[in-house]
Amino acid sequence: AQKVTQAQTEISVVEKEDVTLDCVYETRDTTYYLFWYKQPPSGELVFLIRRNSFDEQNEISGRYSWNFQKSTSSFNFTITASQVVDSAVYFCALSGMDTGRRALTFGSGTRLQVQP
Amino acid sequence: GAVVSQHPSRVICKSGTSVKIECRSLDFQATTMFWYRQFPKQSLMLMATSNEGSKATYEQGVEKDKFLINHASLTLSTLTVTSAHPEDSSFYICSARAGTGATGQFFGPGTRLTVL
Repeated sequence: AQKVTQAQTEISVVEKEDVTLDCVYETRDTTYYLFWYKQPPSGELVFLIRRNSFDEQNEISGRYSWNFQKSTSSFNFTITASQVVDSAVYFCALSGMDTGRRALTFGSGTRLQVQP
Repeated sequence: GAVVSQHPSRVICKSGTSVKIECRSLDFQATTMFWYRQFPKQSLMLMATSNEGSKATYEQGVEKDKFLINHASLTLSTLTVTSAHPEDSSFYICSARAGTGATGQFFGPGTRLTVL
């Protein structure tokens, strides 16, 4: 069975602060994908990143960065110099790589509020 | 990137009526489509997986006679909520994947169902 845990239910920061959203996962699959999605109030999921389980390189995209630690089964997401527009619910998700195991298992989400 | 549409985006219906939600892949052929449900302030939960031309596979606890899924073509899957009740009010999101070797999975914008 797969499980994704986002222990932080809600985080509130002031604009320009850095913030890290935690994600811990469990899976029996030897190969898998990890994802982060942003869900603004409109509800539409915005894809942020997908990582392969065999690629532990950290990734940076503008103000966003991701830290994948296979040893601790974590895939944390950091927003640097947060902005009000970053306010949303963020979901971490996991899927297998094999055909038939591609459905996503989502974490419970972390609501980020960035105050001006 | 690939585009997935959903129609309608929002629907309000009376208890006891049936509602059909369409999920279309606009610029690719989707051999597999997934249907997720998201209750207010909760995470996305997989309801069912549908492969074109075959019966959908439902997750445990999802009534297949209540949530009818049809994936008759490579670009269209429909979810029909039969005899809807207020507890079926939720945000329904589909995702589509192209081909068995494809690694991308693309989400629709979601359909907000309110049953009065």
